[in-house]
Amino acid sequence: KAGVTQTPRYLIKTRGQQVTLSCSPISGHRSVSWYQQTPGQGLQFLFEYFSETQRNKGNFPGRFSGRQFSNSRSEMNVSTLELGDSALYLCASSLHGDEPLHFGNGTRLTVT
Amino acid sequence: GQQVMQIPQYQHVQEGEDFTTYCNSSTTLSNIQWYKQRPGGHPVFLIQLVKSGEVKKQKRLTFQFGEAKKNSSLHITATQTTDVGTYFCAGPRGATNKLIFGTGTLLAVQP
Repeated sequence: KAGVTQTPRYLIKTRGQQVTLSCSPISGHRSVSWYQQTPGQGLQFLFEYFSETQRNKGNFPGRFSGRQFSNSRSEMNVSTLELGDSALYLCASSLHGDEPLHFGNGTRLTVT
Repeated sequence: GQQVMQIPQYQHVQEGEDFTTYCNSSTTLSNIQWYKQRPGGHPVFLIQLVKSGEVKKQKRLTFQFGEAKKNSSLHITATQTTDVGTYFCAGPRGATNKLIFGTGTLLAVQP
């Protein structure tokens, strides 16, 4: 079974721009969660999607949004990028959301 | 902010020495999970503990869940260089059980 796939692996953007990250979960997994990882703040929960609905949300501003498609693939979008948004964005999937998570390799976003 | 704290933040050991990281939650957890993230990698699930006072072993790794289900520990016996990485505990929070990660402990092993 293929693992969780995230694209792209690396991104460089300028302040004020917007970015879209993509995540394909393990086949059959319906829950997709997104995390932001930075050296100072560790792994911070962004949101979780299940069956195309946002089921959980972390404490991030509205500039961070996401969605899930009928095939369980998910995207997250960050608008009006700030320097502080530079981070590793990790996607994780599980069958229903209450099992251990399977993480992708992440997308490393650098905002200049 | 973080509601699951881990100590220490960083530990440097000689190969062969033991290592322990502690995880403390501000609230009772229904279960606790442990993950390992190698340098440059992504978190990988190690184990899940569910019962109060539960102890589980994986080779040289021993995991324990506290009696009050608010703390946990991971102990590695006779560390090896392959143990290098950051160890995270994680517990479900809120009505819909979003998984919140601890602050992590970075383990460095000197050969």
